[in-house]
Amino acid sequence: RKEVEQDPGPFNVPEGATVAFNCTYSNSASQSFFWYRQDCRKEPKLLMSVYSSGNEDGRFTAQLNRASQYISLLIRDSKLSDSATYLCVVPHLGAGSYQLTFGKGTKLSVIP
Amino acid sequence: DGGITQSPKYLFRKEGQNVTLSCEQNLNHDAMYWYRQDPGQGLRLIYYSQIVNDFQKGDIAEGYSVSREKKESFPLTVTSAQKNPTAFYLCASSGQTVYEQYFGPGTRLTVT
Repeated sequence: RKEVEQDPGPFNVPEGATVAFNCTYSNSASQSFFWYRQDCRKEPKLLMSVYSSGNEDGRFTAQLNRASQYISLLIRDSKLSDSATYLCVVPHLGAGSYQLTFGKGTKLSVIP
Repeated sequence: DGGITQSPKYLFRKEGQNVTLSCEQNLNHDAMYWYRQDPGQGLRLIYYSQIVNDFQKGDIAEGYSVSREKKESFPLTVTSAQKNPTAFYLCASSGQTVYEQYFGPGTRLTVT
């Protein structure tokens, strides 16, 4: 059974705040994980990949906890431009090839 | 610039009509995908194609059909058999890194 669960939010945070989202997954065999960002009424875009314990890119940190089967995304010093929906994505093996399972997303609104 | 184009951006159809959504990419990617997104829902895979002249059903293929006659093009037909066709349709492609998918801007289909 492939499943990716996310808190839908919305998370309303002031500029400059630190915010974290969690995502749980059911497939214990999954080895890699991804966070995509989707702006309102736009297409998703890859934000970060997580292949081992974690990954950091500027203000964004993604961490993986395999024992508890969850991935987190931490955003420090939030900017207004960070307002978007963040999608947790976990690959799964389909009919002979890997496909992506998308979570429903967590909505973030950064408030001035 | 390389990318994925989808047309049209908005499409309106009467119930009972078939409609074809266009997806073109100039990224030289082998794999292409069609997803459907409903409000508050994650992306769900309709069809995917790993190579020209070959495609597989995704999780929700019923009522849809595709073709892959050229590497650059992967059109999706929404048939009258699709019971709830109104949705946001996203096309994506991926190259060697199958996990990193590039999305087109999407087509919003409304069927009344």
